[in-house]
Amino acid sequence: DAGITQSPRYKITETGRQVTLMCHQTWSHSYMFWYRQDLGHGLRLIYYSAAADITDKGEVPDGYVVSRSKTENFPLTLESATRSQTSVYFCASSEFVQGNQPQHFGDGTRLSIL
Amino acid sequence: AQTVTQSQPEMSVQEAETVTLSCTYDTSESDYYLFWYKQPPSRQMILVIRQEAYKQQNATENRFSVNFQKAAKSFSLKISDSQLGDAAMYFCAYRSDMEYGNKLVFGAGTILRVKS
Repeated sequence: DAGITQSPRYKITETGRQVTLMCHQTWSHSYMFWYRQDLGHGLRLIYYSAAADITDKGEVPDGYVVSRSKTENFPLTLESATRSQTSVYFCASSEFVQGNQPQHFGDGTRLSIL
Repeated sequence: AQTVTQSQPEMSVQEAETVTLSCTYDTSESDYYLFWYKQPPSRQMILVIRQEAYKQQNATENRFSVNFQKAAKSFSLKISDSQLGDAAMYFCAYRSDMEYGNKLVFGAGTILRVKS
């Protein structure tokens, strides 16, 4: 089915470990995004990408790394996880057109860092 | 940088009644887009309604409508005939029409509880 898929849905890991969250979309959307959701902050942008091999920092990029070698995939890596990175992570995508095109979201990954 | 403020952390409404969720934003731009997203307990992010800043007419989608006041930088969401399925977290979001990246700026969210 067409859509945007995040994996895993839940992840528990320990501080200092590396963890990668996966995001895959089947629409061939140019733009992809990573947000984190924390109580009292709504969703905050971590990184975004306008196309394959083009990535840019968002509001809260520290401690995260992204790559986009293929249009459909946009993995997010925490190189050395910290407790402050415990959060719900959302991947989103949108078309590369002007106008009111909305972002389409995955179902999120709940990440707990012990 | 733009900011979005949702001043109501929680709201309650009786089933079949009407409720209004508030959203204000700060921007120096004249062209932008505004969105309301619904997040039920399943954690999905569902687009409820969208508004282009250049349009004076308020957007409507069935029981959902907005009151867009550009000069006041206000974008409230009205839910009519509230249903139990409307219970969720609601996020207001802003997107610049001038800034690179199609990025969304979100408010902190409002939890809506619907009483039967």
